[in-house]
Amino acid sequence: DAGVTQSPTHLIKTRGQHVTLRCSPISGHKSVSWYQQVLGQGPQFIFQYYEKEERGRGNFPDRFSARQFPNYSSELNVNALLLGDSALYLCASSLGTGDEKLFFGSGTQLSVL
Amino acid sequence: GESVGLHLPTLSVQEGDNSIINCAYSNSASDYFIWYKQESGKGPQFIIDIRSNMDKRQGQRVTVLLNKTVKHLSLQIAATQPGDSAVYFCAENKGRGSTLGRLYFGRGTQLTVWP
Repeated sequence: DAGVTQSPTHLIKTRGQHVTLRCSPISGHKSVSWYQQVLGQGPQFIFQYYEKEERGRGNFPDRFSARQFPNYSSELNVNALLLGDSALYLCASSLGTGDEKLFFGSGTQLSVL
Repeated sequence: GESVGLHLPTLSVQEGDNSIINCAYSNSASDYFIWYKQESGKGPQFIIDIRSNMDKRQGQRVTVLLNKTVKHLSLQIAATQPGDSAVYFCAENKGRGSTLGRLYFGRGTQLTVWP
């Protein structure tokens, strides 16, 4: 069975550009969460989507946005990239029906130059 | 600061020994805790979880202990193998009122297993 899949695996951008990261959850999972992991730290929560609606947002600026599609896949968009946005962006899925166990993808490594 | 932290940033053990990774949390409302293993270049991999109505839970070669009195969580790995070398994170949910899908992670402990 396929786990959580993310694309692309690596990305290099320059300051001011925008980026779109994609995630496909485990089949049957309706909830998708996005996390940012800076080198040497634990993942930090960005967004959670369930049934195409945003259900939670972490302490990130409005430059960060996301959406969830009818097939439960999701996109994370970041505008006006800053050097500090360089990080591993992780997508996690869960059943979304009270099950809090998150399953993570391998992430997208974003480098902003 | 972060509510979930780890006492030791690094831990080195001999192959075959048991490993104990500790975690402290500060939010008494947290009722769900989970341990993840993260290898270099990969996303966090689920190891084991525990709810606050339990003190202990066992998996294959792993045991999680929860002490709510002192807000302490530990992960025990039996007969540690070189493949167990990774960064281990504990995470909490901060209570049922928090957003589903939102976990709070500590900094992690780097476990190194020597042959």
